[in-house]
Amino acid sequence: EDQVTQSPEALRLQEGESSSLNCSYTVSGLRGLFWYRQDPGKGPEFLFTLYSAGEEKEKERLKATLTKKESFLHITAPKPEDSATYLCAVQAEETSGSRLTFGEGTQLTVNP
Amino acid sequence: DTGVSQDPRHKITKRGQNVTFRCDPISEHNRLYWYRQTLGQGPEFLTYFQNEAQLEKSRLLSDRFSAERPKGSFSTLEIQRTEQGDSAMYLCASSPGPLGSGANVLTFGAGSRLTVL
Repeated sequence: EDQVTQSPEALRLQEGESSSLNCSYTVSGLRGLFWYRQDPGKGPEFLFTLYSAGEEKEKERLKATLTKKESFLHITAPKPEDSATYLCAVQAEETSGSRLTFGEGTQLTVNP
Repeated sequence: DTGVSQDPRHKITKRGQNVTFRCDPISEHNRLYWYRQTLGQGPEFLTYFQNEAQLEKSRLLSDRFSAERPKGSFSTLEIQRTEQGDSAMYLCASSPGPLGSGANVLTFGAGSRLTVL
C-alpha cells in the first residue's frame, strides 16, 4: 500500500526565514510525486510534479527536490502570502488513471 | 475555461437524509475523481471515472455512496442515509486522458463541505 508521511505537521516562520518541508514516501513504483498548495476552504492547487530522483523544479520562492525515498519543498525568504497547507502526493506506476495518494500536509504560517 | 466547478459549496443536513453533490470538470478532461477530506487530513481517494465508466472505487466508498458520470460530462456523488461521520469536504478533480498535455496532473475544484447534524 502506498504511504506518504509529511513533516512537520505545522511550521511557523518569520518573513524571510527560509526552511524546508519534508515528504517521505513508500510506493511500489513511482510514476510521479506531486506538491499542492491548499488555502483554507479551497481545493488543492497544483505546484509541481517530479518524476525521477535528482529532479528539481522551482517556482518563485519554492523549490522541490526528489530522492528515491523523500521529497523536500524548500521555501526561500517566505512572505506572509505563502501561508497555506502544503500537500505531498504520490502516483504509483500500477495505479489506474492518475489516482493520487496524499500525505496529511504541513500547515505553514509566515508571520510579517 | 472556468476550471472544475462544484455545487453546492456548503450543505448542512440532518442525519438520515440523502445529499447529492455535482461536479463539472474541465471540458476537455475525460478523467474525473472524487476525494474526501476531513479537517487536518489530506484528501482520500473515493472513486474515479474515465469518460462515463467508473473504473475504480475505494473501500471507503460504502454502499450508501454512489457516483455517476452520465455521458462522460458532469458527475454526481450521492450519499444516502447520511451519518455524522460523513461530515467532510468532498473534492472533485479532473485530468486529461493519458495522451493529453499534463496528463497526470489533477486539477481540483473548491469542494463541497458537508455538515451532518
